[in-house]
Amino acid sequence: AQSVTQLGSHVSVSEGALVLLRCNYSSSVPPYLFWYVQYPNQGLQLLLKYTSAATLVKGINGFEAEFKKSETSFHLTKPSAHMSDAAEYFCAAFSGYALNFGKGTSLLVTP
Amino acid sequence: KAGVTQTPRYLIKTRGQQVTLSCSPISGHRSVSWYQQTPGQGLQFLFEYFSETQRNKGNFPGRFSGRQFSNSRSEMNVSTLELGDSALYLCASSLTPTDTQYFGPGTRLTVL
Repeated sequence: AQSVTQLGSHVSVSEGALVLLRCNYSSSVPPYLFWYVQYPNQGLQLLLKYTSAATLVKGINGFEAEFKKSETSFHLTKPSAHMSDAAEYFCAAFSGYALNFGKGTSLLVTP
Repeated sequence: KAGVTQTPRYLIKTRGQQVTLSCSPISGHRSVSWYQQTPGQGLQFLFEYFSETQRNKGNFPGRFSGRQFSNSRSEMNVSTLELGDSALYLCASSLTPTDTQYFGPGTRLTVL
């Protein structure tokens, strides 16, 4: 089964700094991969998805992720953090019928 | 286009009761999936429906059930509630079972 591991349950960055949230997947076949964001008391919002069309995927709110098969990674980045980026971020792999989520990374943005 | 809607948003029940949660998918989406989110277990897949048929179910006891109607709206039911059922229940819809899933705001269930 395809699974994902998110490294770091909490990440803290200063406003304006680079955001890097790590996700590694476990699969012999490149899966469909996703990043979702969850703001307090809300559902999950799709940030971006990888479906093998391109290794660098651009999403909403300035986020992007690069699929690296050699490293089985799909890390999420944003060049400059905003206070509004503070939220929980989830990496997920599609198993064929369901999303398998990582444990999530809580992003804190400090002034 | 309106997003996925879930009702109610908040619910408080006591142990032993049963509860029904509702999900209306994005217009035109025919697949609905349900997930449970808890601090300890994270996000876990409950079940998936397409064309009124449950195609897959996660590792949950039989107290958890659901159904999908001809208009693609879905309900899930939890009987004989336990304290551990307290969670955020998320519904996601997609055009087909293999398309991108879009989530609703969730129903926060508290079992006392």
